[in-house]
Amino acid sequence: QKEVEQDPGPLSVPEGAIVSLNCTYSNSAFQYFMWYRQYSRKGPELLMYTYSSGNKEDGRFTAQVDKSSKYISLFIRDSQPSDSATYLCAIPYSNDYKLSFGAGTTVTVRA
Amino acid sequence: GAVVSQHPSRVICKSGTSVKIECRSLDFQATTMFWYRQFPKKSLMLMATSNEGSKATYEQGVEKDKFLINHASLTLSTLTVTSAHPEDSSFYICSAPGTVSFTQYFGPGTRLTVL
Repeated sequence: QKEVEQDPGPLSVPEGAIVSLNCTYSNSAFQYFMWYRQYSRKGPELLMYTYSSGNKEDGRFTAQVDKSSKYISLFIRDSQPSDSATYLCAIPYSNDYKLSFGAGTTVTVRA
Repeated sequence: GAVVSQHPSRVICKSGTSVKIECRSLDFQATTMFWYRQFPKKSLMLMATSNEGSKATYEQGVEKDKFLINHASLTLSTLTVTSAHPEDSSFYICSAPGTVSFTQYFGPGTRLTVL
């Protein structure tokens, strides 16, 4: 069983819509949760980082963690065409910084 | 934020040749770097952990003799794809640990095409 599951989409939304992305994970010991954004043919960049359960907001982005359900979410409000990218959830699974990535969800925001 | 660079960004080579990809941390030192491989529309697959001053550790199923890793200094790690074949064509990305717990800074990636 893969440690992190993510629906690869693709997801297409009109500009201004709310984008909802999510991942599930299997190991209840996980404590740190990240979202990376990857534009086409580029390396991923860290978008959001959360520790344990709860919400974290940064501008138009909100990350949620529900440890009881082993479920993490990323919401993008007022989506823009520039948000079109692949979004990957990532969870560290060892003390030496190794990350387990979800499959990535490709999002297209239509102008 | 911290910057990780890769060179070259794109390389095309003939089957049987070797290709070297460089990964540099530009404004910080990295005793550890990671090498990933990514196929089109797929997620990142960790290939190996590069350790400055010691041997790299490879993930299960990754051929050590095929993918040679050298961490020559605190700012440079190299991945050499030896005797490349078309199935080695992929997007190779390196990363270094970030300042925030367990995060990583990624390079821009190198697209390798083996003819």
